[in-house]
Amino acid sequence: LAKTTQPISMDSYEGQEVNITCSHNNIATNDYITWYQQFPSQGPRFIIQGYKTKVTNEVASLFIPADRKSSTLSLPRVSLSDTAVYYCLVGSGSARQLTFGSGTQLTVLP
Amino acid sequence: ETGVTQTPRHLVMGMTNKKSLKCEQHLGHNAMYWYKQSAKKPLELMFVYSLEERVENNSVPSRFSPECPNSSHLFLHLHTLQPEDSALYLCASSQDSQGGNIQYFGAGTRLSVL
Repeated sequence: LAKTTQPISMDSYEGQEVNITCSHNNIATNDYITWYQQFPSQGPRFIIQGYKTKVTNEVASLFIPADRKSSTLSLPRVSLSDTAVYYCLVGSGSARQLTFGSGTQLTVLP
Repeated sequence: ETGVTQTPRHLVMGMTNKKSLKCEQHLGHNAMYWYKQSAKKPLELMFVYSLEERVENNSVPSRFSPECPNSSHLFLHLHTLQPEDSALYLCASSQDSQGGNIQYFGAGTRLSVL
């Protein structure tokens, strides 16, 4: 199982770029890296997914180094509404291998 | 709107009651999941269904009984619950039950057991 490690919490200010790094040292060859966002009392929401190098969509970028042992979620110019818990998941096989962990609580300050 | 609808959004029940949570997905997915999220804790995977067959049961007490009558609907039947079962119950769906698939979550049912 690919275990992930993320910072428990991060603070940022509005308008700044935020980078959240996830470590997954024992990632398997076929594993994908997926990030979710969760607001209080809501279900997690998919943000971005990648396998290697860099992926960008309308809300975030995902940077994956060549060894794939870590990944960095980049949120450009955060706003107060980006305050949430962010989860990094790694997996490809059975869904039972996926664990959301504790995630990273991002707090955006005015 | 994620395409996954859960009802009810809130539920209060006594320990001797029987209730059911409902989940419906409109995404054409083949896998559906139940998760439990207690206060300040990570999501715990409870059950996984793929093509209407249960493929995972993570040591969940028998007072929780899932049912998947078709690939679009998932139920969680509750009976003789305990106060520690109070939590946010989340349903999700994905194309199939492989770990690389993106899961789409409902808004959850906030359950309080008195």
